Amino acid sequence: GAVVSQHPSRVICKSGTSVKIECRSLDFQATTMFWYRQFPKQSLMLMATSNEGSKATYEQGVEKDKFLINHASLTLSTLTVTSAHPEDSSFYICSARYPAGGTEAFFGQGTRLTVV
Amino acid sequence: EDQVTQSPEALRLQEGESSSLNCSYTVSGLRGLFWYRQDPGKGPEFLFTLYSAGEEKEKERLKATLTKKESFLHITAPKPEDSATYLCAVQSFFGNEKLTFGTGTRLTIIP
Repeated sequence: GAVVSQHPSRVICKSGTSVKIECRSLDFQATTMFWYRQFPKQSLMLMATSNEGSKATYEQGVEKDKFLINHASLTLSTLTVTSAHPEDSSFYICSARYPAGGTEAFFGQGTRLTVV
Repeated sequence: EDQVTQSPEALRLQEGESSSLNCSYTVSGLRGLFWYRQDPGKGPEFLFTLYSAGEEKEKERLKATLTKKESFLHITAPKPEDSATYLCAVQSFFGNEKLTFGTGTRLTIIP
């Protein structure tokens, strides 16, 4: 299947700082990528849809000023958690459709964010 | 609003003991139903996509089936390495390609 790479896999940051998470499609171009959040023993919740060259679409209840998404190229989307607080600690996962416009969704390895 | 309910929440089986996981769904126009496997601390690994009622797909010891209301993931003669959380998700024709996930079934295969 298609490969989606996410970096870093784990990050610990101090409260009030910002953290950037990268999501790359390694062997295909992704005009659309998706960012999810997963709390322990809970399902994946879609945070936002990232569109190459345009603004991201955020799900209801997700603060767009806190979770900044940039999709500057066809192979890279980034999620920046700004002014992170302990309640932002979670597992963040990105995905991309392959082929473009298809139904198959492939996920990155996930990023465990811990805010102390 | 699309909804996905998975049962059971957790399942413990002896190695070789076959069973089935259930995924019940409601969706406004099913574009696809997806099964994923997720290991602890990892992202979901794609297993299957089913598109229409009556469709079946197989991969090694796993077989997924689909009706108009639910999907089953059948596990035949499982091995310890099949232990994982299995996630079900649906995609609607009327959404923005988003997937709606269930909470998963945590499967443990005991040697």
